[in-house]
Amino acid sequence: SQQGEEDPQALSIQEGENATMNCSYKTSINNLQWYRQNSGRGLVHLILIRSNEREKHSGRLRVTLDTSKKSSSLLITASRAADTASYFCATDGGGAQKLVFGQGTRLTINP
Amino acid sequence: EAQVTQNPRYLITVTGKKLTVTCSQNMNHEYMSWYRQDPGLGLRQIYYSMNVEVTDKGDVPEGYKVSRKEKRNFPLILESPSPNQTSLYFCASRDRNTEAFFGQGTRLTVV
Repeated sequence: SQQGEEDPQALSIQEGENATMNCSYKTSINNLQWYRQNSGRGLVHLILIRSNEREKHSGRLRVTLDTSKKSSSLLITASRAADTASYFCATDGGGAQKLVFGQGTRLTINP
Repeated sequence: EAQVTQNPRYLITVTGKKLTVTCSQNMNHEYMSWYRQDPGLGLRQIYYSMNVEVTDKGDVPEGYKVSRKEKRNFPLILESPSPNQTSLYFCASRDRNTEAFFGQGTRLTVV
């Protein structure tokens, strides 16, 4: 069963602009994670935010978590061509230790 | 270097011919998982393991087997592959409540 649902499914912006991707989920979580995938390659972990945290930063990345709305957002500031990739959120329910992924947002940065 | 190693990276096989995709991690992680990735469907979990000799079904386990005889290895077995198992497969490992590390993927084609 899919837990995280990303929105939008695809996003195309100009280099230098900010990109925002959203993730909604259905059940309670222990933490929520964001991953990046370059075409056909393995997923790379970006950031993990725990259920008791509201915001987290890592370089040009900013993640927010609203557990009351069961939603999270990933903001990439000052985008670069190298940020072109698919971005996935994954929820960790903490029980059976299953990470459940959404379908991803395909981000394209135009030079 | 911390890594998850999958082999082979590419495999073309015929319907019904048993195959094994190997996965090995060098981080002493307790948890390991197999996912398949298909266009429009995101990542779906096939099987996961919480420790040696402890495995459980994910969301799409039909047609697959796994084993966890050693902590570092988690092979995926297709006893009788069918064309609908043509997909991109990923192995991942993690510790409790932490991020996952992914292998580079195995692109399987069943003809």
